[in-house]
Order: sequence, then C-alpha cells, then structure tokens
Amino acid sequence: AQSVTQPDIHITVSEGASLELRCNYSYGATPYLFWYVQSPGQGLQLLLKYFSGDTLVQGIKGFEAEFKRSQSSFNLRKPSVHWSDAAEYFCAVGPDYGGSQGNLIFGKGTKLSVKP
Amino acid sequence: ETGVTQSPTHLIKTRGQQVTLRCSSQSGHNTVSWYQQALGQGPQFIFQYYREEENGRGNFPPRFSGLQFPNYSSELNVNALELDDSALYLCASSVGLAVWGSYEQYFGPGTRLTVT
Repeated sequence: AQSVTQPDIHITVSEGASLELRCNYSYGATPYLFWYVQSPGQGLQLLLKYFSGDTLVQGIKGFEAEFKRSQSSFNLRKPSVHWSDAAEYFCAVGPDYGGSQGNLIFGKGTKLSVKP
Repeated sequence: ETGVTQSPTHLIKTRGQQVTLRCSSQSGHNTVSWYQQALGQGPQFIFQYYREEENGRGNFPPRFSGLQFPNYSSELNVNALELDDSALYLCASSVGLAVWGSYEQYFGPGTRLTVT
C-alpha cells in the first residue's frame, strides 16, 4: 500500500540554525513527491515538488529537498531557519492509483517551532 | 489571478444535521478535490470532481457527497453529521487529471467544521 511517514511529530530549532525534516514513502512505482506548509488556521501552500530529473529540487522560501530512491526518502532542508518558518509541514506522494484516482497521500505532518 | 476560495470559514453544527461547504477553484482549473483534515492529522482524500463528474473517491461513507458546477466550483455535502466529522475541510483545484501528468494541486484556506 502507498503511504507516507514523517517520523518527527514536532521539531524545535533555533532561528538561524539549519533544518531537515524527514519524509519516507512506500510506493510501487516512481512517485511524484511534494512538500506543503500549513500555517495555523490556513490551507496548504506548495513548497516544492519532484516529478523527475535532478534529484535535488529547489522550492520557495529557500527550501530544498532531495529525492533518494534507494532510501525511499524525500527530506526537506533549509540552511537557515527564520522565525516565520514556524508552521506545520506535510510531505505527500502521488498519484494514488488505488481507488482514489490519482490524488495525493499525505503524511501526518511535522510541526516546526523556532526559538529566538 | 484569484486563488482557491472556500466558504464559510467556520461553522458549528449539531450531530444529525446536514452541512454544505463551498469551493471556488482557481481560474483555469477544471478539477476539484476535497480533503478532510482531522486535528493533528494530514489531509485525507474524500473525492474528486472533473467536468462535473465524480472521478474518484477515498474511504468515506456515502453520506459525504459532492457536486461540481459548469463554472468548476464545487460543493461538499455531509448528511447525518457525526462528532467525528469535526475537521478542517480543504478544497484543492488543479488542471486536468493526474493520469495526464497533472498532479499539482492548489489548496484553499479550508472550512473548519465543528459538530457538537
């Protein structure tokens, strides 16, 4: 079955420190991978996506992610975290070719807190 | 360009009642997907509409139903509300279907439903 695991429920980093959020997936074919961010009370904003090609993808707000097929991972990184990055981050994989006709499967999210 | 909008922002209903949530898709988008996000969880796919037809459905009972209109806006209807239906309901729009390579979904801010 297709699934996404985000092992860290909550991470706290100091402002200016580097960040890595982990995402592992289970998928029977070449996945399409996404990272979304959700601020409190808000919908989801797409940070970046991987479809094919270069395994290191750049996104908005200074984020990047690396697709590692051998490890079934798509970890999100940022070299220097800003207080405004505090939010919840969701990794997603698609398409779901099961009964849901190509939609996204989300992890449970990682909440990021930023210390001043 | 107008993004995805949803209404209402919040609402409170009593168990057993019925509710209708609305979504206007982003300009040029003809596919709408609905997700339920329970507290502390990632979004879960409810169903998708493409050109006014249901194109796929997640693991939700029939009391969750939807419509898509000729202008591609959409409604989510939930009958016989249960306490567990309390969640953030997210609408996402996209162009075409995932099977054609269109996986990028743009999310609205959501409707927070509380069932008492």
